[in-house]
Amino acid sequence: GDSVTQMEGPVTLSEEAFLTINCTYTATGYPSLFWYVQYPGEGLQLLLKATKADDKGSNKGFEATYRKETTSFHLEKGSVQVSDSAVYFCALSMDTGFQKLVFGTGTRLLVSP
Amino acid sequence: DAMVIQNPRYQVTQFGKPVTLSCSQTLNHNVMYWYQQKSSQAPKLLFHYYDKDFNNEADTPDNFQSRRPNTSFCFLDIRSPGLGDAAMYLCATSTEGAHGSEQYFGPGTRLTVT
Repeated sequence: GDSVTQMEGPVTLSEEAFLTINCTYTATGYPSLFWYVQYPGEGLQLLLKATKADDKGSNKGFEATYRKETTSFHLEKGSVQVSDSAVYFCALSMDTGFQKLVFGTGTRLLVSP
Repeated sequence: DAMVIQNPRYQVTQFGKPVTLSCSQTLNHNVMYWYQQKSSQAPKLLFHYYDKDFNNEADTPDNFQSRRPNTSFCFLDIRSPGLGDAAMYLCATSTEGAHGSEQYFGPGTRLTVT
């Protein structure tokens, strides 16, 4: 079945460091890809998305490019802030009439001053 | 602001005592979802409503039920909570069909079972 694999955490960085969180997927068709972020004690918020190959999603300095050839959707940010500390979930959805999300296991990011 | 609201934010119940969690939305979305998220895990879809049509995931225990009396409200009923049902319960909404349409999540209800 469809699945998402993302790197284990926690990822620990100093403020202003470069961030990469790897995400790869397995799907039988052409999924839409998402990054959701979850701050402590809160629900999930959409960070960015891409709906077709070579699309780049971006928001708040974060970027991810839909790479069909490598089935990847890695999350990057050039300079992280303490406020970026959160859990990041990579997810896919297939067009099945409703948008069933398949999540990765999540990667916790800890940014220190 | 249009949003997804969950009440209460924290709920404590006793082992075996029925509990109901509520979700409301002002987005007028026709699809509503309930997820269970245990500590340090990804959210797991329990079921969803497509308008009034209820769709259960195959591995959702019978102990979990849901009601959607109208477009705006959806309820999660746990008939006999066990210790293993302690988790964060997330409600989400989306519009139907459009490729890549996102889900909008509420803040969650954290359920403790004593």
